[in-house]
Amino acid sequence: EAQVTQNPRYLITVTGKKLTVTCSQNMNHEYMSWYRQDPGLGLRQIYYSMNVEVTDKGDVPEGYKVSRKEKRNFPLILESPSPNQTSLYFCASSGHRGVAYEQYFGPGTRLTVT
Amino acid sequence: GQSLEQPSEVTAVEGAIVQINCTYQTSGFYGLSWYQQHDGGAPTFLSYNALDGLEETGRFSSFLSRSDSYGYLLLQELQMKDSASYFCAVKPIYNQGGKLIFGQGTELSVKP
Repeated sequence: EAQVTQNPRYLITVTGKKLTVTCSQNMNHEYMSWYRQDPGLGLRQIYYSMNVEVTDKGDVPEGYKVSRKEKRNFPLILESPSPNQTSLYFCASSGHRGVAYEQYFGPGTRLTVT
Repeated sequence: GQSLEQPSEVTAVEGAIVQINCTYQTSGFYGLSWYQQHDGGAPTFLSYNALDGLEETGRFSSFLSRSDSYGYLLLQELQMKDSASYFCAVKPIYNQGGKLIFGQGTELSVKP
């Protein structure tokens, strides 16, 4: 089954404790992206990757890091989480690298930082 | 700036037709996409307009007019299961990478 998986699905952590949210896709897609979703703000892009070892900032990259060492994986790293990073996070991938439409989204990770 | 605007809420009755608009202020983009999201779950892709005009996929249609800076999603024969949030999205031409901009979403409520 073609899918994007994220782990963990739910996470409660404390300020400053480094965490990683994993994302993996089994569709051999070149394009992957991370979004955060907050009430009234829609989906905002954090980082994206056009291919292995190629990453770039979206609209809200501050406080986040990513890496793309393998085509299937695109982890999101919060080195020192803060309460304003409490949000619902989605990973997505697309086989249409040029225009990145028809994205497949993971199930989401609900993060709470206290 | 670059932004997409959608109505925050739309209400319609079962069996009716509803149109969700997306207007944009961006200098240029490759095409307009639409996604559906139920109750905070994973957004799912609905349609993509690369060119001006109407694209039809079953009960859903999407329209784009670049000259009017306007697009819409049309849902026909509404069903209760269509109650969800709908997002439009574009990839700006000014960015040759993979940057995407999403609208804030429209919450559709279908009433019996």
